[in-house]
Amino acid sequence: DIQMTQSPSSLSASVGDRVTITCRASQSISNYLNWYQQKPGKAPKLLIYVASSLQSGVPSRFSGSGSGTAFTLTISSLQPEDFATYYCQQSYRTPGTFGQGTKVEIK
Amino acid sequence: QITLKESGPTLVKPTQTLTLTCTFSGFSLSTTGVGVGWIRQPPGKALEWLALIYWHDDKRYSPSLQSRLTITKDTSKKQVVLTMTNMDPVDTATYFCAHTLRDISSASAGAGGRDMNWGFDPWGQGTLVTVSS
Repeated sequence: DIQMTQSPSSLSASVGDRVTITCRASQSISNYLNWYQQKPGKAPKLLIYVASSLQSGVPSRFSGSGSGTAFTLTISSLQPEDFATYYCQQSYRTPGTFGQGTKVEIK
Repeated sequence: QITLKESGPTLVKPTQTLTLTCTFSGFSLSTTGVGVGWIRQPPGKALEWLALIYWHDDKRYSPSLQSRLTITKDTSKKQVVLTMTNMDPVDTATYFCAHTLRDISSASAGAGGRDMNWGFDPWGQGTLVTVSS
């Protein structure tokens, strides 16, 4: 299986901050990297697919970049509704492994 | 609008077989590129990819669970069924189903272990399954 490693595991930030989460794959996954947001008790929501494509309806403050083995999710200006857990997932090879998650908390 | 909903037992006993049904609307599983996957999440833990089935009956499983999982589709009923045998308390989790699209523009998609899809969207609400005697 391809291992996905996210960092940090958690972070504290303030409204308006720029936040960056990184995800590293154990082998090249081209650009088949997806980012999800999950709030407590809810299903995950797709934010970014194939590394940098913004899913319809997702605010433009979310952006993704990277290819190969290293990827980032950036929130340009953190909003109150962005406090959640974020997961990366590779969809290049079966099984489509997820990272361990990054919890974004209020500072 | 695409929607999916999981259904099945909320409580199963150890060693029993779990059968979960994902009933969807807003798309057809006979359309080229379309797939439905299952993902689970133990309480307080990360997401775990389980299985995925595509429009042309390409079935994919997590290697660590493959011996216990079976995924099938009923296109006319708009359902995907996941069975998991020999349930154990560690299988206690919320189970989600979700829609995906394979990147059919790539000639290597689906070949040699490659999947190459555009992520899961949308997801069902999930169903909590507890394994306990």
